[in-house]
Amino acid sequence: QKEVEQDPGPLSVPEGAIVSLNCTYSNSAFQYFMWYRQYSRKGPELLMYTYSSGNKEDGRFTAQVDKSSKYISLFIRDSQPSDSATYLCAMSRSGGYQKVTFGTGTKLQVIP
Amino acid sequence: DAGVIQSPRHEVTEMGQEVTLRCKPISGHDYLFWYRQTMMRGLELLIYFNNNVPIDDSGMPEDRFSAKMPNASFSTLKIQPSEPRDSAVYFCASSPHLGQGASQPQHFGDGTRLSIL
Repeated sequence: QKEVEQDPGPLSVPEGAIVSLNCTYSNSAFQYFMWYRQYSRKGPELLMYTYSSGNKEDGRFTAQVDKSSKYISLFIRDSQPSDSATYLCAMSRSGGYQKVTFGTGTKLQVIP
Repeated sequence: DAGVIQSPRHEVTEMGQEVTLRCKPISGHDYLFWYRQTMMRGLELLIYFNNNVPIDDSGMPEDRFSAKMPNASFSTLKIQPSEPRDSAVYFCASSPHLGQGASQPQHFGDGTRLSIL
């Protein structure tokens, strides 16, 4: 079983929809939770990160962490065609440098 | 500011040939990472360096893979001999040194798309 599980999609939504992307994980030691966005033929770029449980909002994006369920989510409000990309969740332990474990990514397509 | 620069962007070569991938990290970043990305396995960490010293190479799949970082501004990943199953996108990333407990965002290059025939 992988430490981090992510539905590969693809997920197709109409422009303006609310998008929900999710990951589950098995390692309870994970404390940092990140979302990366990867456009086609580009490297991943950090979108958001949260520490431990709770929510974090940045513009149209909201990241949620539920450590009791080992479940993290990324919500995109008012989705735009420019949001079409692959979204990778990532997580690591705390304390000095810790290896980051990535999900396999969910491909999102926002249709105009 | 210039981001992480990788070369070449694409490489097509025949099985058995030596392949060398190159990376220039962001200036001032203390950590450098090499990843491999495939559809089946996603993004896998191969090796990472801290201040030019290899720290963890447990992700390097076989002895055919080697990585070096001769100075703070350059790293190579070498595959010799190459095999078709090595075909993937290889990413280099760098990260600044941060204080204890802080997150360590990684900045990725645009990758090298490697095809071994």
